[in-house]
Amino acid sequence: QSALTQPASVSGSPGQSITISCTGTSSDVGTYDFVSWYQQHPGKAPKLMIYEDYKRPSGVSDRFSGSKSGSTASLTISGLQAEDEADYFCCSYAGSSTLFVFGTGTKVTAL
Amino acid sequence: EVQLLESGGGLVQPGGSLRLSCAASGFTFSSHAMGWVRQAPGKGLEWVSGLSGSGGSAYYADSVRGRFTISRDNSKNTLYLQMSSLRVEDTAVFYCATWDWNYYFLDYWGQGTLVTVSS
Repeated sequence: QSALTQPASVSGSPGQSITISCTGTSSDVGTYDFVSWYQQHPGKAPKLMIYEDYKRPSGVSDRFSGSKSGSTASLTISGLQAEDEADYFCCSYAGSSTLFVFGTGTKVTAL
Repeated sequence: EVQLLESGGGLVQPGGSLRLSCAASGFTFSSHAMGWVRQAPGKGLEWVSGLSGSGGSAYYADSVRGRFTISRDNSKNTLYLQMSSLRVEDTAVFYCATWDWNYYFLDYWGQGTLVTVSS
């Protein structure tokens, strides 16, 4: 099972919106509605930001939103803030044998 | 408050063994599936292993199957990862996390423990 494909980096000015893509296959993202997204600041543990493609856990800012079309999922950060600078990883359920496959990760920079 | 505290990491020679522990608190441990995720230095996240709340169903990534064994002691609220035949490429920070069994996401994470495999 190959890792999901994400852009290595995405940047934007504070206040702007940015979108991170996460491309999988019909064996994972394209079949199951179980894409999740994680934010990771340097030296810290990952934090769940989105689950089941678009749902937000309690306490996560509504500036973060998820969507999916076919085998590509997306995370949009609206009103980019300096505190949003971090690495972001997508993850998808990939069947009962493989279970989870993560994305390659995207570094977000607020210019 | 959910807390997950990993321990047991360290330096081990190639071919050696190590057991990681994850002490859980703040939730009903036996009702939650748990998993291990690792991150090699400067790299991305990799799913390693998962275990149902009862301990009856275990899952492994192909890269560790046959070398790693996941287990849990629900009386001690502790998750384990027994690692053997360790390779240099197993060097990573290992995180334990709670895993939503029905909707396949990892909702709470520990701070991680570093495993270094080197001669």
